[in-house]
This record gives sequence, structure tokens and C-alpha cells, in this order.
Amino acid sequence: DTGVSQDPRHKITKRGQNVTFRCDPISEHNRLYWYRQTLGQGPEFLTYFQNEAQLEKSRLLSDRFSAERPKGSFSTLEIQRTEQGDSAMYLCASSPGDSYEQYFGPGTRLTVT
Amino acid sequence: GQNIDQPTEMTATEGAIVQINCTYQTSGFNGLFWYQQHAGEAPTFLSYNVLDGLEEKGRFSSFLSRSKGYSYLLLKELQMKDSASYLCAVNLQGGKLIFGQGTELSVKP
Repeated sequence: DTGVSQDPRHKITKRGQNVTFRCDPISEHNRLYWYRQTLGQGPEFLTYFQNEAQLEKSRLLSDRFSAERPKGSFSTLEIQRTEQGDSAMYLCASSPGDSYEQYFGPGTRLTVT
Repeated sequence: GQNIDQPTEMTATEGAIVQINCTYQTSGFNGLFWYQQHAGEAPTFLSYNVLDGLEEKGRFSSFLSRSKGYSYLLLKELQMKDSASYLCAVNLQGGKLIFGQGTELSVKP
């Protein structure tokens, strides 16, 4: 078990471009969560999946954001038409259920110029 | 709405004891987590309280009072490597976590 992995670790993009991030959870975990964290703040919940079903999406997530977990394993988070305010660390976490600790990946740091 | 408050910064001396407080007002509550986060790294799990009382794990202890909406993390025998941000997070339905802003702890020699 290698833990939660995320790719890429860093992404620099120009405003208006689309970006996609990938998260590979711990293999037996059916829950997968996405959070966003800006400097000096705690992570903010974005969305979560149970297997392939997306069960909740935060109001923070505008229509420019979409997430998928097509086979109940890895997940992708896409941001369309990026804005400077999207610059943040995007964290993925997985767990075996809703009352268990969440294991976080190393994050993808997005910088929008 | 959801509100979780914790101090922004704390400073303590190596070898000492420090207590980091967290108060919360949330719609729903399934438990409270404490995570540690070093700069530039992912949060790592420290403790999880579901019922009232104290949970002890080595140098770290966490306390919960659900009626008061209050928790604290106690760190004993502080070491320099304990310098980090400490995140209080409430576990809501579905397992989503609502985090406080984090408490930046600096341990001085």
C-alpha cells in the first residue's frame, strides 16, 4: 500500500486555460474526497465520492469545476477557464468509510498566472 | 452555517506542554478530528473523538465535550519537530470534514 497519490504535484497555467488533476486513493477505500487549501487556511471541502457516485458537491464548486470517479478507483478534478482565484493546493483524501480517518495525498499546487 | 474556531498562532518551549483549543458550531456532528500539517505537506491524522472525554495516544491527547462544542489537543514533552499547523476538523454526514483555519505552533529551544 503506497498511500494516496496525486498527479501532477505542481501546475502553472495561464488564466483561461483548462487543467485536470488526478488522484489515486488507497486501493480498498471506497470514499474519496477533494479539498482546496489556500495559504494560512484549513482545507475546504469541495466534493466526495462513494465508489463511482458523487454524493455531495460544495457550493464553493462553481460550474467551472467538475470531478469524476468513473470506475470507483482513481478520480479526476477538472477546472475550466481557470482564474487567478483558483490558485491553491488541491488535496485528495480517501477513507474506508465515513467514520474513519481520511488519508491525504501530497496535493497538487496550482498557480494561475 | 458551520463555524470552527481555533487560535491562529501559539508559541511554546521545547519540553513543555501546550494545549490547543477548538470550538465549533456545526449543523451535524459525527466526531472531531485533529490533524497535523507541516509546511508544504499533506495533513496527517493525530486523533479522532466521537464520545465525550479524553483520548490519549503517546505524547498527544485530545478531549471532547459535545455539549459545549469544545475540544482541545494536548501535546506533552514538546519537541522541535512538533512545530507545525494543527487542524481541528468536524466530521459531518457522509464523512466530509469541515476544518478550522489551523493553529500554527512554533516550538522554541
